[in-house]
Amino acid sequence: GAVVSQHPSWVICKSGTSVKIECRSLDFQATTMFWYRQFPKQSLMLMATSNEGSKATYEQGVEKDKFLINHASLTLSTLTVTSAHPEDSSFYICSARESGSSSEQYFGPGTRLTVT
Amino acid sequence: EDQVTQSPEALRLQEGESSSLNCSYTVSGLRGLFWYRQDPGKGPEFLFTLYSAGEEKEKERLKATLTKKESFLHITAPKPEDSATYLCAVQAGAGTASKITFGTGTRLQVTL
Repeated sequence: GAVVSQHPSWVICKSGTSVKIECRSLDFQATTMFWYRQFPKQSLMLMATSNEGSKATYEQGVEKDKFLINHASLTLSTLTVTSAHPEDSSFYICSARESGSSSEQYFGPGTRLTVT
Repeated sequence: EDQVTQSPEALRLQEGESSSLNCSYTVSGLRGLFWYRQDPGKGPEFLFTLYSAGEEKEKERLKATLTKKESFLHITAPKPEDSATYLCAVQAGAGTASKITFGTGTRLQVTL
């Protein structure tokens, strides 16, 4: 149980284009999902908290107009990196917290984004 | 501001050589402390949740303990397949507003 998937697992795009990453909870409903960014040999940095049916809450320093988050259902959240630049290249990981639970988060396998 | 510090940054053990990883934390209103395992290029895999000082949890060769200021992840007789980065995280805040803060991890390498 508690499986989270991400799609795609890796993507290469050209500078200036937009990329959408999907995060799905496969066997549970998730009112809250989280998006993280991880640079090589560094820990996870929380970018934003996504609540189903409401606007995402962004961490300080994260541009909400650049990283668009949509959480339209209890099993799906999407992160769109708009007008991507090489510095946006990173490992993006989502996690999901089961509805009614305030503790464990279950993580997806991550998406490797490379912007050329 | 919540802070999580893990040590050592990297650890190399021989197979069968037991050791402990440390996670020190400063948080207002701890709701839970988590241990995750992360393999290269993959998302973190959940290991344990600890809620209160004195609590212990075990899973195979791993045992996690918690005090008011730190947590230890004890690895008994490790095997090469235990090689990974081990992440500690703390949760603070209430209800759906709570969020998790991660430490930078300990990279464990177990050799034959």
